[in-house]
Amino acid sequence: DADVTQTPRNRITKTGKRIMLECSQTKGHDRMYWYRQDPGLGLRLIYYSFDVKDINKGEISDGYSVSRQAQAKFSLSLESAIPNQTALYFCATSDSQLADSTDTQYFGPGTRLTVL
Amino acid sequence: KNQVEQSPQSLIILEGKNCTLQCNYTVSPFSNLRWYKQDTGRGPVSLTIMTFSENTKSNGRYTATLDADTKQSSLHITASQLSDSASYICVEPGGAGSYQLTFGKGTKLSVIP
Repeated sequence: DADVTQTPRNRITKTGKRIMLECSQTKGHDRMYWYRQDPGLGLRLIYYSFDVKDINKGEISDGYSVSRQAQAKFSLSLESAIPNQTALYFCATSDSQLADSTDTQYFGPGTRLTVL
Repeated sequence: KNQVEQSPQSLIILEGKNCTLQCNYTVSPFSNLRWYKQDTGRGPVSLTIMTFSENTKSNGRYTATLDADTKQSSLHITASQLSDSASYICVEPGGAGSYQLTFGKGTKLSVIP
């Protein structure tokens, strides 16, 4: 079974709709992240959470919100989707036992979101 | 803002051949540099994390090198296999006081029979 799972894997929606992407992990990690990947660009951080009560904005948080329901679950919401949010979205986790700058991030399989 | 520049953008090699991918980074002071492999339609998977004290680090047929003076890293793939076809992404930390990583755009490697 995969350690980091994302649902749905693919989603097509219309402009203005509210969308929620979900991420679950069984690695027991405290830290979770949401990234987006666009063609020709590197992954960019949307939000990250170091524990259930600690949520932080990343580089490109505008238009997104998150919820950390439990240590194992981290959801990303698009309150009113727009076409330029069409992208591949990845959830990741890391182990808080290691030093901040060297812990490995483990990525989920991704959600391909298309906003028409 | 930290930047990571990777070259080449794409590369096609024959199965069994070796290849080297390049990464120029900017973060200062240096703490670590990471290489990830991303198969098409999948999430990135960590290949190696290099710290300041390491100028060479191997993971099977993958060998990463680091030159802190020129701020360059390379990923050498030996005896390539079809399964090596993927994007290889160089990643640096966001700098002192930041936990945000800066991801390169990646080098897309295609290994052909």
